[in-house]
Amino acid sequence: GESVGLHLPTLSVQEGDNSIINCAYSNSASDYFIWYKQESGKGPQFIIDIRSNMDKRQGQRVTVLLNKTVKHLSLQIAATQPGDSAVYFCAENKADSWGKLQFGAGTQVVVTP
Amino acid sequence: SQTIHQWPATLVQPVGSPLSLECTVEGTSNPNLYWYRQAAGRGLQLLFYSIGIGQISSEVPQNLSASRPQDRQFILSSKKLLLSDSGFYLCAWTVGNNSPLHFGNGTRLTVT
Repeated sequence: GESVGLHLPTLSVQEGDNSIINCAYSNSASDYFIWYKQESGKGPQFIIDIRSNMDKRQGQRVTVLLNKTVKHLSLQIAATQPGDSAVYFCAENKADSWGKLQFGAGTQVVVTP
Repeated sequence: SQTIHQWPATLVQPVGSPLSLECTVEGTSNPNLYWYRQAAGRGLQLLFYSIGIGQISSEVPQNLSASRPQDRQFILSSKKLLLSDSGFYLCAWTVGNNSPLHFGNGTRLTVT
């Protein structure tokens, strides 16, 4: 079946460097994509989203890139900080089934000093 | 601002016992409400969603049920828990079809 998946289960990043988290999706009907950050014992926290009519969207220290040609999504975190250590999930949604998110398995980001 | 509350934060229940998890949303009206479950080290799976009072849709067959007795209250229940019901249960809300889901801090359920 179609699914959302992540390329790397763990990403180790030095403090101050930029982080890039990748995500592949296979459902070409998906038109909305979200990145969440989940800290241990907490619920997922919304980071940034992007619609399929966009290629790039920027937030505070984060940028999401969408490549529909290869069905690839990435999250870039600038100047990674210790507080960025968490599990990051990408999720996809279709407009006709809003809120029924398909989640990837997640990437653990570990920020080292 | 909108907030979402889930309780309890953790729960240990024996097999065969009933379950009731509550979720309430403040600061918004007529939200869409969702129950997700997260297995250890995994992504989230949608269990139920509701677009209004008394309106519940189930996404996967299971031992659980959901109810929405009030506009901003969503309840997850079971009459008899199974070991496989253990997991991290997350409630989420959104307003309409153009805003992201926002999650509560979840309930960690352990069935023994």
